[in-house]
Amino acid sequence: NAGVTQTPKFRILKIGQSMTLQCTQDMNHNYMYWYRQDPGMGLKLIYYSVGAGITDKGEVPNGYNVSRSTTEDFPLRLELAAPSQTSVYFCASSSRPGRQVYQPQHFGDGTRLSIL
Amino acid sequence: AQTVTQSQPEMSVQEAETVTLSCTYDTSESDYYLFWYKQPPSRQMILVIRQEAYKQQNATENRFSVNFQKAAKSFSLKISDSQLGDAAMYFCAYRSEDSGTYKYIFGTGTRLKVLA
Repeated sequence: NAGVTQTPKFRILKIGQSMTLQCTQDMNHNYMYWYRQDPGMGLKLIYYSVGAGITDKGEVPNGYNVSRSTTEDFPLRLELAAPSQTSVYFCASSSRPGRQVYQPQHFGDGTRLSIL
Repeated sequence: AQTVTQSQPEMSVQEAETVTLSCTYDTSESDYYLFWYKQPPSRQMILVIRQEAYKQQNATENRFSVNFQKAAKSFSLKISDSQLGDAAMYFCAYRSEDSGTYKYIFGTGTRLKVLA
């Protein structure tokens, strides 16, 4: 019963490096989300996807890219890491919410990313 | 655009006492969900309680209940008989239903301390 799996759990990057944060879910969920959580703050939506092949920007998309080639996977790419991207990143997924039908959002355990 | 505001960065409560965490939101939409999430030091995001905007009755889950005032756009969380395990960050969140994107917007959080 894996749920939402994020890798890696921790990573330190140098300014200007690139990396991909992996997220996979085994619940056949259509909706997937990437959030960042800065110290002492709430979660801010970076990108989201409503199904394979469909992605859209959230509140803070600059500096990030995503793809959704399969239902299971929703990787987040940082192309040129900057200190402002130091944060904890959460991936989440849910079934398609329906009017008056509640579908919970399942979260991964997060990736702590430091950029020095 | 929707916003979620938590004006209490930190609250304290004696064990076994009751505490209320405040949340206000702004939206022009008529159909939405509101949530309270708990985040312990483990970083997990744990759903505490949810409220459907179309329901007038306040949601309850064991020791947790909400006071949902739709006209005032207020959504407070009451924790009764506080326990040491309730100590955590609490986030209020809004999910849009009208737009079909089901995006979540989180407040900045309230850190709850439980005093023995």
